[in-house]
Amino acid sequence: AQSVTQLDSQVPVFEEAPVELRCNYSSSVSVYLFWYVQYPNQGLQLLLKYLSGSTLVKGINGFEAEFNKSQTSFHLRKPSVHISDTAEYFCAVIKAAGNKLTFGGGTRVLVKP
Amino acid sequence: DAGVTQSPTHLIKTRGQQVTLRCSPKSGHDTVSWYQQALGQGPQFIFQYYEEEERQRGNFPDRFSGHQFPNYSSELNVNALLLGDSALYLCASSLPQGGGNGYTFGSGTRLTVV
Repeated sequence: AQSVTQLDSQVPVFEEAPVELRCNYSSSVSVYLFWYVQYPNQGLQLLLKYLSGSTLVKGINGFEAEFNKSQTSFHLRKPSVHISDTAEYFCAVIKAAGNKLTFGGGTRVLVKP
Repeated sequence: DAGVTQSPTHLIKTRGQQVTLRCSPKSGHDTVSWYQQALGQGPQFIFQYYEEEERQRGNFPDRFSGHQFPNYSSELNVNALLLGDSALYLCASSLPQGGGNGYTFGSGTRLTVV
């Protein structure tokens, strides 16, 4: 079975500052990795995904993530955040041939002016 | 191109009642998954439907059941509601291979059990 740990439940950050959200996963088989964002009272929107190839993945809204197989991590970064980035962020994994997404507990990002 | 549509958006039910939630997948998708997201937690997989059959199920009791119709839309039914069933229920659609093809999520149905 797979599991996902998001190490920070809340991350306060000032506008235009960088942010990093940490995600570690556990799996005995190959997995694909995802980051989703959830704005208040909305569903999940895909930010980016890692399937294979380059370990640095670029997504929407200026976000990027780096896959580190040896550390089983997939940390999300943005060099300069905006007020509109205030949301909850979820890291998720799925087996390469699987049907079920396994999510972490989420990290709430609060961008302060 | 319509995304995933869920109805209703909000619902209040009494303990012991039954509820049906509905989902229409994104155009071109034929696989539907349901997730439960309790307040302050990540979504938990309930089950997935493909070709009108339940293909995989998460760790949820039999009170949770589903159905997929020939047009790929889906229903989630919950019987004998408990207070702990209060959550946001998310529907996600995908191509049958799932995995790296990605999942498109709807905005969810907020169920409150009182």
